[in-house]
Amino acid sequence: EVQLVESGGGLVQPGGSLKLSCAASGFTFSVSSIHWVRQASGKGLEWVGRIKTKANTYATEYAASVKGRFTISRDDSKNTAYLQMNSLKTEDTAVYYCTRFGAGSGSFDLWGQGTLVTVSS
Amino acid sequence: DIEMTQSPDSLAVSLGERATINCKSSQSVLHSSNNNNYIAWYQQKPGQPPKLLIYWASTRESGVPDRFSGSGSGTDFTLTISNLQAEDVAVYYCQQYYSLPLTFGGGTKVEIK
Repeated sequence: EVQLVESGGGLVQPGGSLKLSCAASGFTFSVSSIHWVRQASGKGLEWVGRIKTKANTYATEYAASVKGRFTISRDDSKNTAYLQMNSLKTEDTAVYYCTRFGAGSGSFDLWGQGTLVTVSS
Repeated sequence: DIEMTQSPDSLAVSLGERATINCKSSQSVLHSSNNNNYIAWYQQKPGQPPKLLIYWASTRESGVPDRFSGSGSGTDFTLTISNLQAEDVAVYYCQQYYSLPLTFGGGTKVEIK
């Protein structure tokens, strides 16, 4: 089955760290760019960042709101992408989705179910 | 950053009628190299991740019913749901992928009247 499965969410205190994982299956993960998108409760979608493929030097880009605090990485041998979140703020509380950027569609054609990150004291 | 503005915020439509959602980008998302508009539409039902409906502004994703259609070019885009069905109740988002940061509209909630 073609899918993305996120894990690693949970409750963390402000200033703390958390690392999310995104496990892919059913498709050739290594040739896919992976993006992270988040959604606060009852709110809209916010792009967090992306990592390209090895052929594109694993280039990363981030939203201004997380730049310098979040790091996206990937391990193609494990078909897994990661989102390392440091210096977490209460406003980072959201469901975090990993998504596949479809080369043909130029859009997010596959989404995980999401994992909830709650930043609270 | 390209700002995406959707309207209306919500709308209620009778079963079998048409729903029209608008999306305006703060700058053109038409790429001159390929004449494609870098706009996608997603549907999100409660408790679920978004689902891709339309890309390149008007190309329907595989498996999406043909009552969903996208149109527009440049800065103004429309998602039309003809013959609205009960299962179409959801929030719909437009998104531009013309340039980073990728940005989404605020969403339009579609309900049954």
